[in-house]
Amino acid sequence: AQTVTQSQPEMSVQEAETVTLSCTYDTSESNYYLFWYKQPPSRQMILVIRQEAYKQQNATENRFSVNFQKAAKSFSLKISDSQLGDTAMYFCAFMIPPLSNFGNEKLTFGTGTRLTIIP
Amino acid sequence: DVKVTQSSRYLVKRTGEKVFLECVQDMDHENMFWYRQDPGLGLRLIYFSYDVKMKEKGDIPEGYSVSREKKERFSLILESASTNQTSMYLCASSLSTHYEQYFGPGTRLTVT
Repeated sequence: AQTVTQSQPEMSVQEAETVTLSCTYDTSESNYYLFWYKQPPSRQMILVIRQEAYKQQNATENRFSVNFQKAAKSFSLKISDSQLGDTAMYFCAFMIPPLSNFGNEKLTFGTGTRLTIIP
Repeated sequence: DVKVTQSSRYLVKRTGEKVFLECVQDMDHENMFWYRQDPGLGLRLIYFSYDVKMKEKGDIPEGYSVSREKKERFSLILESASTNQTSMYLCASSLSTHYEQYFGPGTRLTVT
């Protein structure tokens, strides 16, 4: 069974600083996807960034980037120039794509990191 | 924009009641999911559906059932609500092979 571990239940950082959220996972599969989802207070969960395991290049989306270390099974999220709107719960998630086009695209989530940006 | 809506933001029910949680998506997605979110446990998959009338159990299906009669609608049913089912329930949908899941706002269910 796949597991996802987020070892930082809470973090806080000053506005405009850089923060890194850690995530490790455990799997024996070689083909998989990794995701970071953001859940702002009282708002819907949205996808921040995704990484395909077969791609060596780290994914980036504006101020968000990942450090994907496949051998170490590590997938950290870096937020640069943090903003007040980045305050949220952040979940790391893992998925093994199904063999057919219609199968279980189940996400396995970590327990989350509550990030607070301090003005 | 993909829109996933859930019938209630907050719900209070009594032990033993039958509870229906409704989820509707407007983007013709094949896949729909029901998760339960609890502090310190993250999100756990209850049930998954990849087509109308098709369903698969997730990690914690006990005490729950689902119904998908139309592609856009996925219902979660608590046949006899219990206090340990007090939780936040999140619905999500996705297009097959695209893998990004779109989430609804959640229903916070309290069973007393």
